[in-house]
Amino acid sequence: AQSVTQPDIHITVSEGASLELRCNYSYGATPYLFWYVQSPGQGLQLLLKYFSGDTLVQGIKGFEAEFKRSQSSFNLRKPSVHWSDAAEYFCAVADTDKLIFGTGTRLQVFP
Amino acid sequence: SQTIHQWPATLVQPVGSPLSLECTVEGTSNPNLYWYRQAAGRGLQLLFYSVGIGQISSEVPQNLSASRPQDRQFILSSKKLLLSDSGFYLCAWSVIVNTEAFFGQGTRLTVV
Repeated sequence: AQSVTQPDIHITVSEGASLELRCNYSYGATPYLFWYVQSPGQGLQLLLKYFSGDTLVQGIKGFEAEFKRSQSSFNLRKPSVHWSDAAEYFCAVADTDKLIFGTGTRLQVFP
Repeated sequence: SQTIHQWPATLVQPVGSPLSLECTVEGTSNPNLYWYRQAAGRGLQLLFYSVGIGQISSEVPQNLSASRPQDRQFILSSKKLLLSDSGFYLCAWSVIVNTEAFFGQGTRLTVV
Protein backbone atom coordinates (compact mmCIF):
# COMPACT_ATOMS: atom_id res chain seq x y z
CA ALA A 1 0.00 0.00 0.00
CA GLN A 2 1.08 3.53 -0.67
CA SER A 3 2.40 5.44 2.31
CA VAL A 4 4.18 8.61 3.33
CA THR A 5 6.65 8.93 6.16
CA GLN A 6 7.71 12.16 7.79
CA PRO A 7 10.39 11.07 10.24
CA ASP A 8 10.64 14.35 12.13
CA ILE A 9 7.68 15.05 14.41
CA HIS A 10 9.00 18.38 15.66
CA ILE A 11 11.75 20.66 14.36
CA THR A 12 13.02 23.87 15.91
CA VAL A 13 15.08 26.41 13.99
CA SER A 14 16.22 29.98 14.51
CA GLU A 15 14.80 32.71 12.36
CA GLY A 16 17.01 33.21 9.33
CA ALA A 17 18.35 29.67 9.40
CA SER A 18 17.86 27.22 6.56
CA LEU A 19 15.23 24.50 6.78
CA GLU A 20 14.80 21.02 5.40
CA LEU A 21 11.77 18.87 6.20
CA ARG A 22 12.03 15.23 5.23
CA CYS A 23 9.46 13.14 3.40
CA ASN A 24 9.75 9.58 2.14
CA TYR A 25 7.09 7.83 0.14
CA SER A 26 6.21 4.35 -0.92
CA TYR A 27 4.57 4.15 -4.32
CA GLY A 28 4.89 1.71 -7.18
CA ALA A 29 4.69 4.09 -10.12
CA THR A 30 5.76 7.67 -10.71
CA PRO A 31 4.22 9.53 -7.79
CA TYR A 32 2.33 12.78 -7.64
CA LEU A 33 3.69 14.51 -4.54
CA PHE A 34 2.54 17.49 -2.50
CA TRP A 35 3.51 19.64 0.46
CA TYR A 36 0.88 21.42 2.53
CA VAL A 37 1.14 23.84 5.44
CA GLN A 38 -1.34 24.19 8.30
CA SER A 39 -1.44 27.09 10.71
CA PRO A 40 -3.02 26.38 14.13
CA GLY A 41 -6.77 25.89 13.91
CA GLN A 42 -6.80 26.36 10.16
CA GLY A 43 -7.19 24.26 7.05
CA LEU A 44 -4.33 23.08 4.87
CA GLN A 45 -2.76 25.27 2.20
CA LEU A 46 -0.93 23.82 -0.78
CA LEU A 47 2.73 24.89 -0.89
CA LEU A 48 3.86 23.03 -3.98
CA LYS A 49 3.38 19.91 -6.06
CA TYR A 50 5.36 17.55 -8.26
CA PHE A 51 3.83 15.66 -11.15
CA SER A 52 6.68 15.20 -13.61
CA GLY A 53 9.56 17.02 -15.28
CA ASP A 54 12.06 19.14 -13.37
CA THR A 55 12.73 17.42 -10.06
CA LEU A 56 13.23 20.72 -8.24
CA VAL A 57 9.89 22.46 -7.82
CA GLN A 58 9.26 25.94 -6.55
CA GLY A 59 6.30 26.80 -4.38
CA ILE A 60 4.77 29.68 -2.56
CA LYS A 61 6.30 31.54 0.39
CA GLY A 62 9.85 30.84 -0.81
CA PHE A 63 9.65 27.06 -0.39
CA GLU A 64 11.06 24.49 -2.77
CA ALA A 65 11.18 20.71 -2.84
CA GLU A 66 13.31 18.18 -4.64
CA PHE A 67 12.07 14.83 -5.91
CA LYS A 68 14.68 12.09 -5.69
CA ARG A 69 13.42 8.84 -7.14
CA SER A 70 16.48 6.85 -6.03
CA GLN A 71 15.82 7.80 -2.43
CA SER A 72 12.01 7.83 -2.62
CA SER A 73 12.16 11.28 -1.10
CA PHE A 74 10.53 14.65 -1.59
CA ASN A 75 12.15 16.96 0.96
CA LEU A 76 10.95 20.50 1.51
CA ARG A 77 13.48 23.30 1.84
CA LYS A 78 13.68 26.99 2.53
CA PRO A 79 16.97 28.93 2.60
CA SER A 80 15.94 31.41 5.31
CA VAL A 81 13.08 30.78 7.70
CA HIS A 82 10.79 33.55 8.91
CA TRP A 83 8.90 33.52 12.21
CA SER A 84 5.65 33.32 10.23
CA ASP A 85 6.71 29.92 8.87
CA ALA A 86 5.95 28.33 12.24
CA ALA A 87 3.23 25.81 11.45
CA GLU A 88 2.66 22.15 10.75
CA TYR A 89 3.79 20.75 7.43
CA PHE A 90 2.33 17.73 5.68
CA CYS A 91 3.71 15.71 2.81
CA ALA A 92 1.24 13.77 0.66
CA VAL A 93 1.27 11.30 -2.22
CA ALA A 94 -1.60 10.76 -4.62
CA ASP A 95 -3.12 7.30 -4.62
CA THR A 96 -5.53 6.14 -7.32
CA ASP A 97 -8.43 8.20 -6.03
CA LYS A 98 -7.23 10.17 -3.02
CA LEU A 99 -4.28 11.78 -1.28
CA ILE A 100 -2.38 9.94 1.44
CA PHE A 101 -0.81 12.20 4.04
CA GLY A 102 2.13 11.82 6.35
CA THR A 103 1.74 12.46 10.05
CA GLY A 104 3.18 15.95 9.78
CA THR A 105 6.16 17.89 11.08
CA ARG A 106 5.63 20.74 13.49
CA LEU A 107 8.02 23.62 12.87
CA GLN A 108 8.90 26.00 15.66
CA VAL A 109 10.87 29.15 14.89
CA PHE A 110 12.87 31.02 17.52
CA PRO A 111 13.68 34.72 17.07
CA SER B 1 -12.64 31.39 -8.45
CA GLN B 2 -13.44 28.33 -6.41
CA THR B 3 -14.17 28.51 -2.72
CA ILE B 4 -15.02 25.94 -0.08
CA HIS B 5 -17.16 26.67 2.95
CA GLN B 6 -17.30 24.52 6.02
CA TRP B 7 -19.41 25.09 9.12
CA PRO B 8 -19.65 25.39 11.99
CA ALA B 9 -16.09 26.39 12.93
CA THR B 10 -16.40 24.97 16.43
CA LEU B 11 -18.88 22.63 18.04
CA VAL B 12 -19.29 21.17 21.50
CA GLN B 13 -21.68 18.26 21.68
CA PRO B 14 -22.63 15.81 24.44
CA VAL B 15 -22.00 12.11 24.10
CA GLY B 16 -24.92 10.39 22.38
CA SER B 17 -26.10 13.47 20.52
CA PRO B 18 -26.37 13.61 16.70
CA LEU B 19 -23.93 15.41 14.43
CA SER B 20 -24.21 17.18 11.13
CA LEU B 21 -21.29 19.02 9.54
CA GLU B 22 -21.78 20.67 6.19
CA CYS B 23 -19.40 21.54 3.41
CA THR B 24 -20.15 23.33 0.17
CA VAL B 25 -17.98 24.22 -2.80
CA GLU B 26 -18.57 27.16 -5.10
CA GLY B 27 -17.22 27.98 -8.52
CA THR B 28 -16.81 24.47 -9.90
CA SER B 29 -18.92 21.56 -11.07
CA ASN B 30 -18.73 17.89 -10.18
CA PRO B 31 -15.87 18.23 -7.69
CA ASN B 32 -14.44 15.27 -5.85
CA LEU B 33 -15.18 15.78 -2.18
CA TYR B 34 -13.42 14.49 0.93
CA TRP B 35 -13.85 14.39 4.69
CA TYR B 36 -10.70 14.09 6.79
CA ARG B 37 -10.27 13.94 10.54
CA GLN B 38 -7.23 15.19 12.38
CA ALA B 39 -6.87 14.02 15.96
CA ALA B 40 -4.67 15.97 18.36
CA GLY B 41 -1.00 15.48 17.47
CA ARG B 42 -1.74 13.14 14.63
CA GLY B 43 -1.93 13.32 10.87
CA LEU B 44 -4.90 13.40 8.59
CA GLN B 45 -7.15 10.39 8.38
CA LEU B 46 -9.37 10.13 5.31
CA LEU B 47 -12.91 9.26 6.39
CA PHE B 48 -15.00 9.48 3.24
CA TYR B 49 -14.72 10.61 -0.34
CA SER B 50 -17.21 11.14 -3.13
CA VAL B 51 -16.75 11.36 -6.88
CA GLY B 52 -20.38 12.25 -7.60
CA ILE B 53 -23.88 12.75 -6.21
CA GLY B 54 -24.92 9.83 -4.05
CA GLN B 55 -21.52 8.11 -4.44
CA ILE B 56 -19.76 7.69 -1.12
CA SER B 57 -16.67 5.65 -0.37
CA SER B 58 -15.80 4.92 3.24
CA GLU B 59 -12.20 4.52 4.22
CA VAL B 60 -12.60 3.68 7.89
CA PRO B 61 -15.62 1.88 9.41
CA GLN B 62 -16.79 3.87 12.39
CA ASN B 63 -19.54 5.85 14.00
CA LEU B 64 -19.82 8.35 11.17
CA SER B 65 -21.54 8.52 7.79
CA ALA B 66 -21.43 10.88 4.83
CA SER B 67 -23.89 11.98 2.20
CA ARG B 68 -23.78 14.04 -0.96
CA PRO B 69 -27.30 15.24 -1.67
CA GLN B 70 -26.20 17.84 -4.22
CA ASP B 71 -23.26 18.18 -6.58
CA ARG B 72 -21.35 20.64 -4.40
CA GLN B 73 -22.58 19.67 -0.96
CA PHE B 74 -21.00 17.10 1.33
CA ILE B 75 -22.38 16.28 4.77
CA LEU B 76 -20.78 14.37 7.62
CA SER B 77 -23.19 12.87 10.14
CA SER B 78 -23.50 10.74 13.19
CA LYS B 79 -26.56 9.42 14.98
CA LYS B 80 -24.84 9.17 18.36
CA LEU B 81 -21.50 10.80 19.07
CA LEU B 82 -18.77 9.08 21.05
CA LEU B 83 -15.99 10.74 23.02
CA SER B 84 -13.55 9.35 20.47
CA ASP B 85 -15.24 11.37 17.73
CA SER B 86 -13.61 14.53 19.05
CA GLY B 87 -11.16 16.06 16.63
CA PHE B 88 -10.62 18.54 13.84
CA TYR B 89 -12.69 17.75 10.76
CA LEU B 90 -11.62 19.00 7.38
CA CYS B 91 -13.53 19.04 4.13
CA ALA B 92 -11.64 19.20 0.86
CA TRP B 93 -12.30 19.14 -2.86
CA SER B 94 -10.33 18.37 -6.00
CA VAL B 95 -10.86 18.58 -9.73
CA ILE B 96 -9.31 15.20 -10.46
CA VAL B 97 -9.17 12.48 -7.82
CA ASN B 98 -5.41 12.11 -7.64
CA THR B 99 -4.36 15.73 -7.90
CA GLU B 100 -4.12 18.48 -5.34
CA ALA B 101 -6.98 18.92 -2.90
CA PHE B 102 -8.17 22.27 -1.54
CA PHE B 103 -9.24 22.42 2.06
CA GLY B 104 -11.85 24.23 4.08
CA GLN B 105 -11.04 25.93 7.36
CA GLY B 106 -12.11 22.97 9.44
CA THR B 107 -14.51 22.26 12.30
CA ARG B 108 -13.24 21.70 15.82
CA LEU B 109 -15.56 19.11 17.40
CA THR B 110 -15.40 18.43 21.11
CA VAL B 111 -17.58 15.66 22.47
CA VAL B 112 -18.17 15.98 26.20
